[in-house]
Amino acid sequence: TQLLEQSPQFLSIQEGENLTVYCNSSSVFSSLQWYRQEPGEGPVLLVTVVTGGEVKKLKRLTFQFGDARKDSSLHITAAQPGDTGLYLCAGARSYNTDKLIFGTGTRLQVFP
Amino acid sequence: DVKVTQSSRYLVKRTGEKVFLECVQDMDHENMFWYRQDPGLGLRLIYFSYDVKMKEKGDIPEGYSVSREKKERFSLILESASTNQTSMYLCASSLFGPTYEQYFGPGTRLTVT
Repeated sequence: TQLLEQSPQFLSIQEGENLTVYCNSSSVFSSLQWYRQEPGEGPVLLVTVVTGGEVKKLKRLTFQFGDARKDSSLHITAAQPGDTGLYLCAGARSYNTDKLIFGTGTRLQVFP
Repeated sequence: DVKVTQSSRYLVKRTGEKVFLECVQDMDHENMFWYRQDPGLGLRLIYFSYDVKMKEKGDIPEGYSVSREKKERFSLILESASTNQTSMYLCASSLFGPTYEQYFGPGTRLTVT
Protein backbone atom coordinates (compact mmCIF):
# COMPACT_ATOMS: atom_id res chain seq x y z
CA THR A 1 0.00 0.00 0.00
CA GLN A 2 1.44 3.34 -1.11
CA LEU A 3 0.71 5.74 1.72
CA LEU A 4 2.25 8.88 0.23
CA GLU A 5 1.27 9.92 -3.29
CA GLN A 6 3.18 12.67 -5.02
CA SER A 7 1.99 14.71 -7.97
CA PRO A 8 2.92 15.36 -10.60
CA GLN A 9 5.18 12.41 -11.33
CA PHE A 10 7.12 14.34 -13.96
CA LEU A 11 7.57 18.04 -14.54
CA SER A 12 9.51 19.66 -17.35
CA ILE A 13 9.71 23.45 -17.27
CA GLN A 14 11.75 26.41 -18.47
CA GLU A 15 14.10 28.35 -16.24
CA GLY A 16 12.26 31.13 -14.41
CA GLU A 17 8.91 29.35 -14.11
CA ASN A 18 7.23 28.59 -10.80
CA LEU A 19 6.03 25.13 -9.80
CA THR A 20 4.36 23.24 -6.98
CA VAL A 21 4.78 19.60 -6.02
CA TYR A 22 2.19 17.88 -3.84
CA CYS A 23 2.53 15.06 -1.35
CA ASN A 24 -0.79 13.56 -0.18
CA SER A 25 -1.89 10.86 2.21
CA SER A 26 -4.95 9.69 4.09
CA SER A 27 -2.73 9.03 7.11
CA VAL A 28 -1.47 11.44 9.74
CA PHE A 29 2.28 11.92 10.11
CA SER A 30 4.17 13.20 13.13
CA SER A 31 6.70 14.85 10.82
CA LEU A 32 7.38 15.09 7.13
CA GLN A 33 10.59 15.58 5.24
CA TRP A 34 11.51 16.61 1.71
CA TYR A 35 14.58 15.27 -0.04
CA ARG A 36 16.20 16.04 -3.40
CA GLN A 37 18.12 13.38 -5.27
CA GLU A 38 20.39 14.15 -8.20
CA PRO A 39 21.14 11.46 -10.80
CA GLY A 40 23.56 8.84 -9.50
CA GLU A 41 23.54 10.23 -5.95
CA GLY A 42 21.69 9.55 -2.71
CA PRO A 43 18.78 11.72 -1.53
CA VAL A 44 19.74 14.85 0.39
CA LEU A 45 17.51 16.19 3.16
CA LEU A 46 16.07 19.63 2.36
CA VAL A 47 13.68 20.30 5.23
CA THR A 48 11.59 18.77 8.02
CA VAL A 49 8.15 20.07 9.01
CA VAL A 50 6.50 18.94 12.22
CA THR A 51 3.58 21.24 13.05
CA GLY A 52 0.27 21.33 11.18
CA GLY A 53 0.16 24.46 9.00
CA GLU A 54 3.90 25.03 9.31
CA VAL A 55 5.62 26.89 6.48
CA LYS A 56 9.38 26.79 5.96
CA LYS A 57 11.43 28.62 3.37
CA LEU A 58 14.78 27.62 1.93
CA LYS A 59 15.82 30.36 -0.51
CA ARG A 60 13.43 29.94 -3.47
CA LEU A 61 11.81 26.79 -2.02
CA THR A 62 8.72 27.03 0.21
CA PHE A 63 7.50 23.97 2.10
CA GLN A 64 4.12 23.68 3.79
CA PHE A 65 2.71 21.00 6.07
CA GLY A 66 -1.08 20.60 5.91
CA ASP A 67 -3.16 21.62 8.90
CA ALA A 68 -4.19 18.01 9.52
CA ARG A 69 -0.60 16.74 8.99
CA LYS A 70 -1.73 14.48 6.14
CA ASP A 71 -0.25 16.39 3.22
CA SER A 72 2.51 18.75 2.20
CA SER A 73 3.56 20.91 -0.71
CA LEU A 74 6.80 22.20 -2.13
CA HIS A 75 6.72 25.41 -4.15
CA ILE A 76 9.72 26.56 -6.18
CA THR A 77 9.86 30.15 -7.34
CA ALA A 78 11.81 31.06 -10.48
CA ALA A 79 13.16 27.55 -11.05
CA GLN A 80 16.77 27.16 -12.14
CA PRO A 81 18.55 24.28 -13.91
CA GLY A 82 20.25 23.49 -10.59
CA ASP A 83 16.83 22.56 -9.18
CA THR A 84 16.69 19.58 -11.53
CA GLY A 85 16.34 16.28 -9.70
CA LEU A 86 14.00 13.81 -8.05
CA TYR A 87 12.02 15.28 -5.16
CA LEU A 88 10.87 12.86 -2.49
CA CYS A 89 8.61 13.46 0.47
CA ALA A 90 8.82 11.12 3.45
CA GLY A 91 6.69 10.87 6.56
CA ALA A 92 7.26 9.52 10.04
CA ARG A 93 4.23 7.70 11.41
CA SER A 94 3.38 8.36 15.02
CA TYR A 95 3.20 4.74 16.11
CA ASN A 96 6.13 3.29 14.16
CA THR A 97 8.44 6.17 13.76
CA ASP A 98 11.81 4.53 13.22
CA LYS A 99 11.00 3.93 9.56
CA LEU A 100 9.95 6.61 7.11
CA ILE A 101 7.26 6.19 4.49
CA PHE A 102 8.61 7.56 1.20
CA GLY A 103 6.51 9.17 -1.48
CA THR A 104 6.39 8.06 -5.09
CA GLY A 105 8.67 10.92 -6.19
CA THR A 106 8.46 13.87 -8.59
CA ARG A 107 11.09 14.13 -11.29
CA LEU A 108 11.78 17.76 -12.17
CA GLN A 109 13.70 18.92 -15.22
CA VAL A 110 14.43 22.62 -15.58
CA PHE A 111 15.70 23.71 -18.98
CA PRO A 112 17.87 26.82 -19.47
CA ASP B 1 27.68 17.39 8.87
CA VAL B 2 26.55 13.78 8.87
CA LYS B 3 28.57 11.63 6.59
CA VAL B 4 27.41 8.27 5.31
CA THR B 5 29.82 6.42 3.06
CA GLN B 6 29.30 3.30 0.99
CA SER B 7 32.10 0.94 0.03
CA SER B 8 31.60 1.11 -3.74
CA ARG B 9 29.87 3.47 -6.16
CA TYR B 10 29.70 0.88 -8.95
CA LEU B 11 29.88 -2.89 -8.73
CA VAL B 12 29.54 -5.62 -11.35
CA LYS B 13 29.06 -9.19 -10.15
CA ARG B 14 28.17 -12.52 -11.71
CA THR B 15 25.05 -14.53 -10.98
CA GLY B 16 25.56 -16.75 -7.93
CA GLU B 17 28.34 -14.68 -6.38
CA LYS B 18 28.16 -13.58 -2.76
CA VAL B 19 28.12 -9.78 -2.62
CA PHE B 20 28.94 -7.52 0.33
CA LEU B 21 27.87 -3.89 0.43
CA GLU B 22 29.21 -1.89 3.34
CA CYS B 23 27.96 1.33 4.85
CA VAL B 24 29.64 3.50 7.49
CA GLN B 25 28.22 6.54 9.29
CA ASP B 26 30.17 8.94 11.46
CA MET B 27 27.43 10.56 13.57
CA ASP B 28 26.73 7.90 16.19
CA HIS B 29 23.23 7.29 14.83
CA GLU B 30 21.27 4.43 16.34
CA ASN B 31 19.31 3.55 13.22
CA MET B 32 20.66 2.35 9.90
CA PHE B 33 18.78 1.30 6.78
CA TRP B 34 19.31 -0.41 3.46
CA TYR B 35 17.06 0.47 0.51
CA ARG B 36 16.98 -0.41 -3.11
CA GLN B 37 15.76 2.05 -5.69
CA ASP B 38 14.35 1.01 -9.05
CA PRO B 39 12.66 3.11 -11.76
CA GLY B 40 8.92 3.22 -11.21
CA LEU B 41 9.14 1.42 -7.86
CA GLY B 42 10.63 4.15 -5.71
CA LEU B 43 12.62 3.50 -2.54
CA ARG B 44 11.97 0.10 -0.98
CA LEU B 45 13.26 -0.84 2.46
CA ILE B 46 15.25 -4.08 2.57
CA TYR B 47 16.41 -4.16 6.19
CA PHE B 48 16.64 -1.84 9.13
CA SER B 49 18.81 -1.94 12.27
CA TYR B 50 18.03 0.00 15.45
CA ASP B 51 21.04 -1.13 17.45
CA VAL B 52 24.18 -3.24 17.24
CA LYS B 53 23.30 -6.85 16.37
CA MET B 54 19.61 -5.89 16.08
CA LYS B 55 17.80 -6.01 12.77
CA GLU B 56 14.33 -5.90 11.39
CA LYS B 57 13.03 -6.98 7.99
CA GLY B 58 11.77 -4.31 5.68
CA ASP B 59 9.43 -4.67 2.73
CA ILE B 60 11.66 -6.80 0.49
CA PRO B 61 14.15 -8.85 2.58
CA GLU B 62 14.12 -12.00 0.41
CA GLY B 63 17.55 -12.80 -0.99
CA TYR B 64 19.32 -10.42 1.39
CA SER B 65 20.84 -10.55 4.85
CA VAL B 66 22.48 -7.89 7.00
CA SER B 67 25.10 -7.57 9.69
CA ARG B 68 25.68 -4.87 12.28
CA GLU B 69 28.60 -5.74 14.55
CA LYS B 70 29.54 -2.11 15.28
CA LYS B 71 27.29 0.90 15.70
CA GLU B 72 28.80 2.81 12.79
CA ARG B 73 28.80 -0.03 10.26
CA PHE B 74 25.91 -1.80 8.52
CA SER B 75 26.52 -4.43 5.87
CA LEU B 76 24.14 -5.78 3.26
CA ILE B 77 24.83 -9.27 1.96
CA LEU B 78 23.48 -10.83 -1.20
CA GLU B 79 23.98 -14.52 -0.49
CA SER B 80 23.73 -15.59 -4.13
CA ALA B 81 23.35 -12.66 -6.49
CA SER B 82 20.69 -12.84 -9.17
CA THR B 83 20.01 -10.60 -12.16
CA ASN B 84 16.83 -9.26 -10.54
CA GLN B 85 19.00 -7.78 -7.81
CA THR B 86 20.54 -5.35 -10.28
CA SER B 87 19.64 -2.02 -8.75
CA MET B 88 20.78 1.13 -6.97
CA TYR B 89 21.40 0.36 -3.29
CA LEU B 90 21.16 3.18 -0.78
CA CYS B 91 22.24 3.17 2.84
CA ALA B 92 20.88 5.68 5.35
CA SER B 93 21.21 6.46 9.04
CA SER B 94 19.08 8.37 11.53
CA LEU B 95 18.83 9.25 15.17
CA PHE B 96 16.13 7.66 17.29
CA GLY B 97 13.57 10.50 17.27
CA PRO B 98 12.11 12.96 17.34
CA THR B 99 11.77 13.47 13.60
CA TYR B 100 13.76 10.46 12.30
CA GLU B 101 15.43 12.41 9.51
CA GLN B 102 17.49 10.07 7.41
CA TYR B 103 20.89 10.81 5.94
CA PHE B 104 21.84 8.88 2.85
CA GLY B 105 25.05 7.63 1.36
CA PRO B 106 25.88 8.20 -2.32
CA GLY B 107 24.56 4.81 -3.36
CA THR B 108 26.01 1.70 -4.98
CA ARG B 109 24.95 0.89 -8.51
CA LEU B 110 25.08 -2.93 -8.61
CA THR B 111 24.87 -4.83 -11.87
CA VAL B 112 24.51 -8.62 -11.77
CA THR B 113 25.26 -10.34 -15.07
